[in-house]
Amino acid sequence: GQQVMQIPQYQHVQEGEDFTTYCNSSTTLSNIQWYKQRPGGHPVFLIQLVKSGEVKKQKRLTFQFGEAKKNSSLHITATQTTDVGTYFCAESGYSTLTFGKGTMLLVSP
Amino acid sequence: ETGVTQTPRHLVMGMTNKKSLKCEQHLGHNAMYWYKQSAKKPLELMFVYSLEERVENNSVPSRFSPECPNSSHLFLHLHTLQPEDSALYLCASSREDRNYGYTFGSGTRLTVV
Repeated sequence: GQQVMQIPQYQHVQEGEDFTTYCNSSTTLSNIQWYKQRPGGHPVFLIQLVKSGEVKKQKRLTFQFGEAKKNSSLHITATQTTDVGTYFCAESGYSTLTFGKGTMLLVSP
Repeated sequence: ETGVTQTPRHLVMGMTNKKSLKCEQHLGHNAMYWYKQSAKKPLELMFVYSLEERVENNSVPSRFSPECPNSSHLFLHLHTLQPEDSALYLCASSREDRNYGYTFGSGTRLTVV
């Protein structure tokens, strides 16, 4: 299946700074899902975006789906140490999801 | 607990051993998946079962053999593994339409010696 590309691979921020990870595809996506995996943990579903230009918020997290449905972003406002982990986007194919390589976020207090 | 239970949590096996990983869910989901996660690699899909039928086998070596006896249980049978098979093996389940995402288990950390 097609692969979504995530950037950056890694980001280290100071607590209180903002953070954004981007997910890009060369083809139109039917929908996009976002997951968070804490160190030593397993991926946890955060949200699904379906509509062109859709924006959804979960507290300090803002998820956006591009107008052309070829890209998506996750923005965290005022990061906290609890935000540490790897954030994955995943696109829905015929029978399953295909995950990006993830962006690892490290937050220093 | 996530609703998807994997056992064992950790497994060390020799290359000549035979072992099985178990996954169980009681979320009412009718699709189940095996993923492999290695250091610095993305989540690699191994097998997909939908309504207890295998719908995808992602070019996985035959030393990995899945089994799905019913919609709540999924097994991964392992035999004659290689050291490069050491990884975190994650089971997940979902509704067939996947609109509410995957629910992952905590994984089995496998080390092949």
